[in-house]
Amino acid sequence: DSGVTQTPKHLITATGQRVTLRCSPRSGDLSVYWYQQSLDQGLQFLIQYYNGEERAKGNILERFSAQQFPDLHSELNLSSLELGDSALYFCASRGSGANVLTFGAGSRLTVL
Amino acid sequence: DAKTTQPPSMDCAEGRAANLPCNHSTISGNEYVYWYRQIHSQGPQYIIHGLKNNETNEMASLIITEDRKSSTLILPHATLRDTAVYYCIVRPGTNNDMRFGAGTRLTVKP
Repeated sequence: DSGVTQTPKHLITATGQRVTLRCSPRSGDLSVYWYQQSLDQGLQFLIQYYNGEERAKGNILERFSAQQFPDLHSELNLSSLELGDSALYFCASRGSGANVLTFGAGSRLTVL
Repeated sequence: DAKTTQPPSMDCAEGRAANLPCNHSTISGNEYVYWYRQIHSQGPQYIIHGLKNNETNEMASLIITEDRKSSTLILPHATLRDTAVYYCIVRPGTNNDMRFGAGTRLTVKP
């Protein structure tokens, strides 16, 4: 157990739907990162939050949005889902200091 | 951001040392070298990082050349469980987004 909790572990939904993925960072970690990994693809950085504020944005589609709440948990919202959005979505958290990220086990999204 | 170049795949015999190279010829003075690995479909795992000195921990050793343009991750006694994709990332020290490249797929064979 890495200390980073992601829910749900698996999610199956239909095209056009909207889903929310949740991430609870390690206790005390202020930064949360979201990544997408499609089948046999690399890890694509989506977005980073630090203490509730957006810090960096990567290849995140306009149909996707995220936020970090006062209790530091984060949610990634995916809307108007397409088949190509099927992927593993990883959340990671980072404490103060060096860029050492701790990853969760991921949420596997299947869009049918 | 400094770019990294890694071989796409490598094999290693079980029990032998695995030496994974990474080129980062455009690295800046404030950029660290980080190594992560991802075992099939699991969340990536931090291994080690360094600025200019060689580093060692319970998992691996990191050797950075004097000019800092390349580095090598060493797994001293590779096991089958070390089969994974290994990512070399170069980033400034703190609070930065971490972007993963294609990495090196290491296969440890019996």
